[in-house]
Amino acid sequence: EAGVTQFPSHSVIEKGQTVTLRCDPISGHDNLYWYRRVMGKEIKFLLHFVKESKQDESGMPNNRFLAERTGGTYSTLKVQPAELEDSGVYFCASSQEDRGSGNTIYFGEGSWLTVV
Amino acid sequence: KNQVEQSPQSLIILEGKNCTLQCNYTVSPFSNLRWYKQDTGRGPVSLTIMTFSENTKSNGRYTATLDADTKQSSLHITASQLSDSASYICVVSAGSMIYNQGGKLIFGQGTELSVKP
Repeated sequence: EAGVTQFPSHSVIEKGQTVTLRCDPISGHDNLYWYRRVMGKEIKFLLHFVKESKQDESGMPNNRFLAERTGGTYSTLKVQPAELEDSGVYFCASSQEDRGSGNTIYFGEGSWLTVV
Repeated sequence: KNQVEQSPQSLIILEGKNCTLQCNYTVSPFSNLRWYKQDTGRGPVSLTIMTFSENTKSNGRYTATLDADTKQSSLHITASQLSDSASYICVVSAGSMIYNQGGKLIFGQGTELSVKP
């Protein structure tokens, strides 16, 4: 079974440009999450989809970030326009329905974004 | 403020030795506590998940403990191997499980473990 896959694995863009990151969750996982780690900091939560709906987007830093999950399958995270401080690793993760005891959250390998 | 703190920041041990990593948290509401292993350049991989009612959980040579009263957790690694070299991250779920918010994770900075031959 394929794990969580992310594309691109690495991206270098200039300040002011747009980048779109894609995440394919594990098949059958309704929950999809985006997290990111900026240089020297811990990983932080960005948002959570349940199927195609945004369950929680309290971690999104500002309106330059737009996440979508049309059809409830793969998700995209667009940064427009990119700023230097957006550089970091963007992780996508997915999980099955949580039955109250804590479900395993599976992470992708991350998309490394460098804004120059 | 929700926070997860880990110690030590880094640790070097010899192959075959045991070690214990520490985690203190101030997170509310508390749903569960997770330990993840992250190899360099890879995504985090789940080791254990514990709810507030669980005191200990094992996964092979990894044993996690949780004291919900003092808000402390530890990860004990037994008979370390070279492949154990990685960052170990303590993660607490801050959301309400009732509302399916378990994925709102608060991450620690990680403990960088290096196992030497």
